Amino acid sequence: GESVGLHLPTLSVQEGDNSIINCAYSNSASDYFIWYKQESGKGPQFIIDIRSNMDKRQGQRVTVLLNKTVKHLSLQIAATQPGDSAVYFCAETEAGTALIFGKGTTLSVSS
Amino acid sequence: DTAVSQTPKYLVTQMGNDKSIKCEQNLGHDTMYWYKQDSKKFLKIMFSYNNKELIINETVPNRFSPKSPDKAHLNLHINSLELGDSAVYFCASSPHYNEQFFGPGTRLTVL
Repeated sequence: GESVGLHLPTLSVQEGDNSIINCAYSNSASDYFIWYKQESGKGPQFIIDIRSNMDKRQGQRVTVLLNKTVKHLSLQIAATQPGDSAVYFCAETEAGTALIFGKGTTLSVSS
Repeated sequence: DTAVSQTPKYLVTQMGNDKSIKCEQNLGHDTMYWYKQDSKKFLKIMFSYNNKELIINETVPNRFSPKSPDKAHLNLHINSLELGDSAVYFCASSPHYNEQFFGPGTRLTVL
């Protein structure tokens, strides 16, 4: 079944704000997590990943936080830009099995 | 120099018809996948192939048959199309089971 979900289906922010997109997962054995960005009419695009032996990983303007105690994953986007508007998915996998995707959060950035 | 390509991008057909979607990757990856994305943007894996061998076959009607002629190609054939098959189908590839690279998607509309 679908073990990965998101707290909010939509998130609206102003340009320049920081955005936080949340995801809850239910499989405590999941050991690898990925955030994907999907723009309208395109396929999902890899943003950042994190393994279960870490609790934080930073990329360019993005940070992923993993809290295994409460099985929570978040994606933070700094200084959100209009080009960040998209649907964001978290995905989990256990020991190299198939990725399970959450339902997605639509981020809308207004300027 | 597209990494993962799919054809066609749009496919409109009548119920009961048989259709195929083609996928090619030039990344040299061993593993390829087919996903279905429904109208609510939920992404669910259908099949996974590793070096031309079927690895994952989720609960998908047997009207759907993947075929992998070589490591770089994974095609999806659908028999006796039904209204509920209308969705966007994504092909993906990965060097392992984790980070996956997605194609642009094929929007299938069954009338």
